[in-house]
Amino acid sequence: AQSVTQLDSQVPVFEEAPVELRCNYSSSVSVYLFWYVQYPNQGLQLLLKYLSGSTLVKGINGFEAEFNKSQTSFHLRKPSVHISDTAEYFCAVREDTGRRALTFGSGTRLQVQP
Amino acid sequence: NAGVMQNPRHLVRRRGQEARLRCSPMKGHSHVYWYRQLPEEGLKFMVYLQKENIIDESGMPKERFSAEFPKEGPSILRIQQVVRGDSAAYFCASSPPTSGGLYEQFFGPGTRLTVL
Repeated sequence: AQSVTQLDSQVPVFEEAPVELRCNYSSSVSVYLFWYVQYPNQGLQLLLKYLSGSTLVKGINGFEAEFNKSQTSFHLRKPSVHISDTAEYFCAVREDTGRRALTFGSGTRLQVQP
Repeated sequence: NAGVMQNPRHLVRRRGQEARLRCSPMKGHSHVYWYRQLPEEGLKFMVYLQKENIIDESGMPKERFSAEFPKEGPSILRIQQVVRGDSAAYFCASSPPTSGGLYEQFFGPGTRLTVL
């Protein structure tokens, strides 16, 4: 069974500073990788996804993530954050076996301060 | 194109009552997924349905919980005899029938269930 670990439950950062949200996974098969953002009292919105090919993936709102197979990581980065980026961020994986269930990490709350 | 619709957005039930949560997938989507988010936790997969069929219910509690996706109408997640531990946000997602193998899931705004 696969699992997803987001070690940082909260990440405070000042506006316009860079940020990295960490995600590690474990799986015995190939996986697809996703990052979702959840604003307060809202559903999840897909930020970006890794399926195959280039390990550097660019998403919406200036976010990007890099897939590192040897380290089983998929860290999310943004070079300069805005107040509006304050939200909960979830990393998720799906097995490349035909099974469609997503396995989510416990989330990282990004708090952007002025 | 409207997104995934869920209603009600907030639901309050007393212990022992039944809760019915509805999900209307995006237009053209025939696959529905239900996830539960407990306070301060990530989402946990519950069940995956296609029209009139349950495909994967590996995340569903064995008792009191059931789901359906009829030929006509929304998908329903039903919780009988609710207990306080059922208090959570329940999210529905949908995906199109074919999408190159990706089956990207689009999430609704969730139903927040509070059991008193």
